[in-house]
Amino acid sequence: AQKVTQAQTEISVVEKEDVTLDCVYETRDTTYYLFWYKQPPSGELVFLIRRNSFDEQNEISGRYSWNFQKSTSSFNFTITASQVVDSAVYFCALEAASGTYKYIFGTGTRLKVLA
Amino acid sequence: KAGVTQTPRYLIKTRGQQVTLSCSPISGHRSVSWYQQTPGQGLQFLFEYFSETQRNKGNFPGRFSGRQFSNSRSEMNVSTLELGDSALYLCASSLETRTYEQYFGPGTRLTVT
Repeated sequence: AQKVTQAQTEISVVEKEDVTLDCVYETRDTTYYLFWYKQPPSGELVFLIRRNSFDEQNEISGRYSWNFQKSTSSFNFTITASQVVDSAVYFCALEAASGTYKYIFGTGTRLKVLA
Repeated sequence: KAGVTQTPRYLIKTRGQQVTLSCSPISGHRSVSWYQQTPGQGLQFLFEYFSETQRNKGNFPGRFSGRQFSNSRSEMNVSTLELGDSALYLCASSLETRTYEQYFGPGTRLTVT
């Protein structure tokens, strides 16, 4: 079975604080893809990153960074020096390359950045 | 480059009716996927179409169906609507398969009364 767990339902931080959103996944496949999406109040999901299971290299994009650790089945997302515009719901998602290609989303973490 | 467009944006239907939602993908994108988002169940995958063929289907009853046209535009149909079908229906397009990044439309908010 495939599963994505985002245990943090809601996080509130003050602007300029760093924040890490956790994502733990389960899959028996050796080939799979992990994603992060942002859903701002407008409702439209925005793609942030895609990572395949063979690439454990961490990635940094501006204030965003991602830490992929297969040993703990985690794909965590850190926002450095958070800003009010970062307030949104963030979803982690998993897709395995075998089986029925079901695309599984986590339940999301609502991030509130307070000015 | 125009984004993914969905029509209509809002819809109110009565139980037992049927509804058709439309999605126009980004130009050049051949894969279109549909998702249902509700507060209780979160984001759930409905189905994916690629080159006019349904490639994958999520765990939804047969009342939910879709199709894709030769220009990659896609429609989703829900027959015999139930109250529980009230949700935000999101369409996403990608270049080839869903393992590429997906670009989402603004969604259609369906309310069933």
